[in-house]
Amino acid sequence: DAKTTQPPSMDCAEGRAANLPCNHSTISGNEYVYWYRQIHSQGPQYIIHGLKNNETNEMASLIITEDRKSSTLILPHATLRDTAVYYCIVRLYTGANSKLTFGKGITLSVRP
Amino acid sequence: NAGVTQTPKFQVLKTGQSMTLQCAQDMNHNSMYWYRQDPGMGLRLIYYSASEGTTDKGEVPNGYNVSRLNKREFSLRLESAAPSQTSVYFCASINSGNSYEQYFGPGTRLTVT
Repeated sequence: DAKTTQPPSMDCAEGRAANLPCNHSTISGNEYVYWYRQIHSQGPQYIIHGLKNNETNEMASLIITEDRKSSTLILPHATLRDTAVYYCIVRLYTGANSKLTFGKGITLSVRP
Repeated sequence: NAGVTQTPKFQVLKTGQSMTLQCAQDMNHNSMYWYRQDPGMGLRLIYYSASEGTTDKGEVPNGYNVSRLNKREFSLRLESAAPSQTSVYFCASINSGNSYEQYFGPGTRLTVT
């Protein structure tokens, strides 16, 4: 699985958009970009995934650059409950042995 | 559905003691995983089971054994606990036929003194 690089931390004001960057310059053509988050030492929670098109769901939007070497997770209206560690992961779409490899993630702090 | 459940939630062991961490899922998932997370670090894969009856080593398998008891249950055993195994242990499962979302349990916080 391709390696990802994320800044260690960032913050944003409550109600504003949080844009979390991720670099994955060695991603291969059949690898997807996944985002998970971990709130206060709970088990990680799936947020969103994508291959090359931008994706949106009820939690977030995922913007992937045309060359697929980087992506941005967007939380459109951050709340205090969004304070968490966010992990950007690239992996093959399917197969039990295409494992999730977690780095240190980016710690997002949402301030009142 | 309860999702992924883990027992116990907390455990303190002395060096050399053994114990088994239990994990169960009620989502009829094929694949199950055990991770550990040390303070300030990401999760590291210990073992996984692609399907009932199969298990494979992950990134950090030394000092652990696993058993896929049936489709629902996947246990992790520490035969002789060491202080280096102090960590939070997470179990996860996925439907490998549609494997985009891995579901995690709440974790077991283990301290080895």
